[in-house]
Amino acid sequence: NAGVTQTPKFRVLKTGQSMTLLCAQDMNHEYMYWYRQDPGMGLRLIHYSVGEGTTAKGEVPDGYNVSRLKKQNFLLGLESAAPSQTSVYFCASRSTDFKKNSPLHFGNGTRLTVT
Amino acid sequence: GQSLEQPSEVTAVEGAIVQINCTYQTSGFYGLSWYQQHDGGAPTFLSYNALDGLEETGRFSSFLSRSDSYGYLLLQELQMKDSASYFCARGGGGKLIFGQGTELSVKP
Repeated sequence: NAGVTQTPKFRVLKTGQSMTLLCAQDMNHEYMYWYRQDPGMGLRLIHYSVGEGTTAKGEVPDGYNVSRLKKQNFLLGLESAAPSQTSVYFCASRSTDFKKNSPLHFGNGTRLTVT
Repeated sequence: GQSLEQPSEVTAVEGAIVQINCTYQTSGFYGLSWYQQHDGGAPTFLSYNALDGLEETGRFSSFLSRSDSYGYLLLQELQMKDSASYFCARGGGGKLIFGQGTELSVKP
């Protein structure tokens, strides 16, 4: 099994350009997440989804949109990229509610630079 | 609030024991988990506590005190490969929020 796959691995954008980051998981997980990681800031939750067709805002949602049209895919969109969105983006998934021990499975990250 | 606090850096010597603390705000808290990240790679799951007490997994143990809103990760018999960033994370309502991470440096 591939687990959680993120594409692309690297991307350079100019300010104002748009792009979509794709996350795909093959573990039939209900929950999916997008995080960004900046030096000294840890992992900050952008948006998350608790099931197909549902999404919710995390800690830092501004400037991003998401869609979960299929259970296995979670897309993160940047409509008009800004230099402040230069970061490493991680997608993750897990199987059930956090009341039970259902750990996050992470993808390898997408390194995005906005110039 | 749902934030977590952990030290930014910890240094220890090979073979020693180190404890990484994590305090959290109680709103909507379900459980505390710990993740390890090497050199900016994908974080990996280490341990989880939903109830008070100690959970042991090999050289790693994790502790939770819900009454004190506090937990810690204990690493025993430190090895050089344990040099990494360690994150506590809290769950509640579908969200999973991470602390800012503790960078552990293991010295020979």
